[in-house]
Amino acid sequence: KQEVTQIPAALSVPEGENLVLNCSFTDSAIYNLQWFRQDPGKGLTSLLLIQSSQREQTSGRLNASLDKSSGRSTLYIAASQPGDSATYLCAVRGATNKLIFGTGTLLAVQP
Amino acid sequence: DTAVSQTPKYLVTQMGNDKSIKCEQNLGHDTMYWYKQDSKKFLKIMFSYNNKELIINETVPNRFSPKSPDKAHLNLHINSLELGDSAVYFCASSLGQRTQYFGPGTRLTVL
Repeated sequence: KQEVTQIPAALSVPEGENLVLNCSFTDSAIYNLQWFRQDPGKGLTSLLLIQSSQREQTSGRLNASLDKSSGRSTLYIAASQPGDSATYLCAVRGATNKLIFGTGTLLAVQP
Repeated sequence: DTAVSQTPKYLVTQMGNDKSIKCEQNLGHDTMYWYKQDSKKFLKIMFSYNNKELIINETVPNRFSPKSPDKAHLNLHINSLELGDSAVYFCASSLGQRTQYFGPGTRLTVL
């Protein structure tokens, strides 16, 4: 059974810092991995999707990497801004077409 | 605007009642999903439909019955509501196994 864990559960950084969020999964037989952000009381916004054959994806200040064999993904946020404050969720999709979500990391960027 | 929309946004009801949540997407996607986010913010898939056919049915009480009248709609009907059903319910859609796009969520409170 696929289990997805995110570390740390919460993170507070001063504005301008670079930071890394971690995601690990127990079953490496995944189809893709997706990173989302969720603002309080809102839905999920897709940030990046990495196919199982890819090693990384970049979008603006965000860079996501995937090491399928070790069951790990990281989301790197460069030059963090207060507007980046949100909960970040990773989710893996396996052969069953289900998205299995991680526990989330609550990020606070202090101005 | 192209989007995944859900109605209602908030739903407060008494135990034992029957209620429905509606979801519509105008993205031309062929696959739709229902997720439940509990009080600990953990997201878990409930159902998935592809071209109006049920393809994922997690271990969900049979009081929950999804209905897909067409590819653009996936409604969720809940019978005999219980306190434990209180959660935020998210609808999502995708084109096959590509990026999933989420609706804004429906916060259900059972009193």
